[in-house]
Amino acid sequence: GAGVSQTPSNKVTEKGKYVELRCDPISGHTALYWYRQSLGQGPEFLIYFQGTGAADDSGLPNDRFFAVRPEGSVSTLKIQRTERGDSAVYLCASSLGGAREQFFGPGTRLTVL
Amino acid sequence: RKEVEQDPGPFNVPEGATVAFNCTYSNSASQSFFWYRQDCRKEPKLLMSVYSSGNEDGRFTAQLNRASQYISLLIRDSKLSDSATYLCVVNRGAGNQFYFGTGTSLTVIP
Repeated sequence: GAGVSQTPSNKVTEKGKYVELRCDPISGHTALYWYRQSLGQGPEFLIYFQGTGAADDSGLPNDRFFAVRPEGSVSTLKIQRTERGDSAVYLCASSLGGAREQFFGPGTRLTVL
Repeated sequence: RKEVEQDPGPFNVPEGATVAFNCTYSNSASQSFFWYRQDCRKEPKLLMSVYSSGNEDGRFTAQLNRASQYISLLIRDSKLSDSATYLCVVNRGAGNQFYFGTGTSLTVIP
């Protein structure tokens, strides 16, 4: 079956612009996670959805970052007024919930010039 | 203090060697433990879960020491294909986030 998909695979934008990153989880997975990974680091938690609601958004670095999952499936991570420090790979993962195995998408490589 | 700490390495070992990685976690309430593998410029993939009694999957053995709050991964008879970054992951239980270590880099040399 289809795994987690993310679009775009690469995004280059200019400082100050707005970007949206999309995640399409595995069908039937109720839990969805967003992470950010910089070179040489492990994935850093951003936000976790259980169904449509954000169960934990404590990892969002500031109010420029926002994520939605309106129908409990596809999720969009939105970054306003991008800064060079936002450059990273943004990973999405989904699971059946609880502490069960997460399946990761291929990531979106964001570069802010 | 970081939630999860790992020695970043790199570990460079010859084919056939046995190599071990350790990882420590700071929160004693942690309930679930995992090792993920990440190849260069790829997404992380689950290698194995870590159970309290320890568990083995082929050449890979994972162990958990709750008293000392560390988990370990042992790889026997290393193959070239084992070259990757190994991520230690901890979860405090249902409804909680997963915490990833920085990863340990392994290169198996012919």
